[in-house]
Amino acid sequence: GIQVEQSPPDLILQEGANSTLRCNFSDSVNNLQWFHQNPWGQLINLFYIPSGTKQNGRLSATTVATERYSLLYISSSQTTDSGVYFCAVSNFGNEKLTFGTGTRLTIIP
Amino acid sequence: SAVISQKPSRDICQRGTSLTIQCQVDSQVTMMFWYRQQPGQSLTLIATANQGSEATYESGFVIDKFPISRPNLTFSTLTVSNMSPEDSSIYLCSVEFGLAGGYNEQFFGPGTRLTVL
Repeated sequence: GIQVEQSPPDLILQEGANSTLRCNFSDSVNNLQWFHQNPWGQLINLFYIPSGTKQNGRLSATTVATERYSLLYISSSQTTDSGVYFCAVSNFGNEKLTFGTGTRLTIIP
Repeated sequence: SAVISQKPSRDICQRGTSLTIQCQVDSQVTMMFWYRQQPGQSLTLIATANQGSEATYESGFVIDKFPISRPNLTFSTLTVSNMSPEDSSIYLCSVEFGLAGGYNEQFFGPGTRLTVL
């Protein structure tokens, strides 16, 4: 099956800093989603982005499908950005999402 | 998107017992999914539940351990049977919604945090 790796595994930043999270996948995908899991375990949808670039406030994401990677940018980090960020993908003809290994982000006041 | 609820939100159970987790969606959906997240780990798909058919289980998960019901298009249950401490995890249901262009986005319920003693 498709393999999904995220980097870095852990990231600790001061409030106000910017960060870039990376997701690499091993095969062509027709679905790529970024999620934020908050400290209570809730998965929040950030982006549906199988290709191209999207922005939502301080967050933006870019997927280069031909090179099999996606990037999530967080600018001007806030403590509420802390948590684990997952990317998840699915192949053509298969609705099942395969989750990446996750990046744990900690924002220090 | 939709409003997805799960019951219970958390539970502490004794080994050897069973727990049934409910997932309710406020609109009709074709496909529902059940995931497990073990402590400190990523999410792993347990099974896909379509209304009117048997659930499809992923490798490493069996129906005897994780029986699933899907009686209608807005509801599903997952039972964790004969529990052991290794079953301590967050269990999440998700649903898929169609987007323009024929693509689908998944949304997740709040999860059920299970501790087995």
